[in-house]
Amino acid sequence: ETGVTQTPRHLVMGMTNKKSLKCEQHLGHNAMYWYKQSAKKPLELMFVYSLEERVENNSVPSRFSPECPNSSHLFLHLHTLQPEDSALYLCASSQLSGGFSSYNEQFFGPGTRLTVL
Amino acid sequence: GNSVTQMEGPVTLSEEAFLTINCTYTATGYPSLFWYVQYPGEGLQLLLKATKADDKGSNKGFEATYRKETTSFHLEKGSVQVSDSAVYFCALSDRTDSNYQLIWGAGTKLIIKP
Repeated sequence: ETGVTQTPRHLVMGMTNKKSLKCEQHLGHNAMYWYKQSAKKPLELMFVYSLEERVENNSVPSRFSPECPNSSHLFLHLHTLQPEDSALYLCASSQLSGGFSSYNEQFFGPGTRLTVL
Repeated sequence: GNSVTQMEGPVTLSEEAFLTINCTYTATGYPSLFWYVQYPGEGLQLLLKATKADDKGSNKGFEATYRKETTSFHLEKGSVQVSDSAVYFCALSDRTDSNYQLIWGAGTKLIIKP
């Protein structure tokens, strides 16, 4: 148990559906992340929120829409996905403190296994 | 730019064998280095970390030493078990870079046979 929970754990959706993934962290962290993990590919950072402001968007298609209503919750809204979007979606959180001695240790949730038909 | 290179897998060993998974990095600043592990069907968990040169991170029998002279952070374990079967990721965080981003290796799948 890492203190980061994700729901649902598994999701099957059609290309015309709209669904949302939810992440919640119980660690008091100030930054949250969405990653995509596909078979035989490196981990892809999708979105970063620091202090509830989005600070990173690595050219993710607009069919993925993140939302961070507060420092403990993060959503990923999905609509009109493609079969190639099938993957494990991981949420993570960390405490960013800045300064020369800081480093970014991230804590991960168990992931949502998404299948797009 | 910063990057992490890991040995390709899968790595297949017998139980009680010695394990080494190589990781090398390039960084422009003063990185912290991490090993994460992902067991089947789960998310990533931090296994160990080192924040400065010559530091040794250790956990659950695994060790890795931060070698600045060779820009390496190899993961080792003296005697592996079947339960160590997982995917292992090397990562770095560079304090002179935007510190919200970890740079990840591609992952190395480890298979331990009884």
